[in-house]
Amino acid sequence: DAMVIQNPRYQVTQFGKPVTLSCSQTLNHNVMYWYQQKSSQAPKLLFHYYDKDFNNEADTPDNFQSRRPNTSFCFLDIRSPGLGDAAMYLCATSRDMSGAPYEQYFGPGTRLTVT
Amino acid sequence: KNQVEQSPQSLIILEGKNCTLQCNYTVSPFSNLRWYKQDTGRGPVSLTIMTFSENTKSNGRYTATLDADTKQSSLHITASQLSDSASYICVVPEDTDKLIFGTGTRLQVFP
Repeated sequence: DAMVIQNPRYQVTQFGKPVTLSCSQTLNHNVMYWYQQKSSQAPKLLFHYYDKDFNNEADTPDNFQSRRPNTSFCFLDIRSPGLGDAAMYLCATSRDMSGAPYEQYFGPGTRLTVT
Repeated sequence: KNQVEQSPQSLIILEGKNCTLQCNYTVSPFSNLRWYKQDTGRGPVSLTIMTFSENTKSNGRYTATLDADTKQSSLHITASQLSDSASYICVVPEDTDKLIFGTGTRLQVFP
């Protein structure tokens, strides 16, 4: 089935140790998003790619970076994780952004723990 | 400021009962409103998208209503099941297509 896949589902890293989360999609969607969701809070958009064009949210810390080597894959790199970065990280995709309401399809998320 | 507010914050009902969740938004201009279901520890799953011209939309036991004049939406769940226990999130895109998320209603269905 076409879907959004995130690996790993659970990630434990040490304070300050770089970590990479991955997302892949079989939907062939143009847009891929990364959200951070902390407990009992709404997801917060970190950035998105429209094809190869990277769009960073103004309040996303420099500690968070992303790569999209091809249509199917997108990575979230946290260069020096702090305790405050512990959260669920959600990847989402959509076929397009403007015009008709394009559905965003979310992956199952990666739960990041920072020790 | 564009906002999406939901009520109640949490809700407990018995299996088989109906319930209604509320969403008020101030996002303008308005294009569409979405309801998502998020199970604990999982990503959100879309239940429905409603555009400006739609008043009611059903997806199985889920029925969403929209009043674009009062900027209100509701999600009605009929004959609740244990598997309906989840957070229900109301989402409205800004004109930049960035999604504005409500903080959700946490529903617990008990046998």
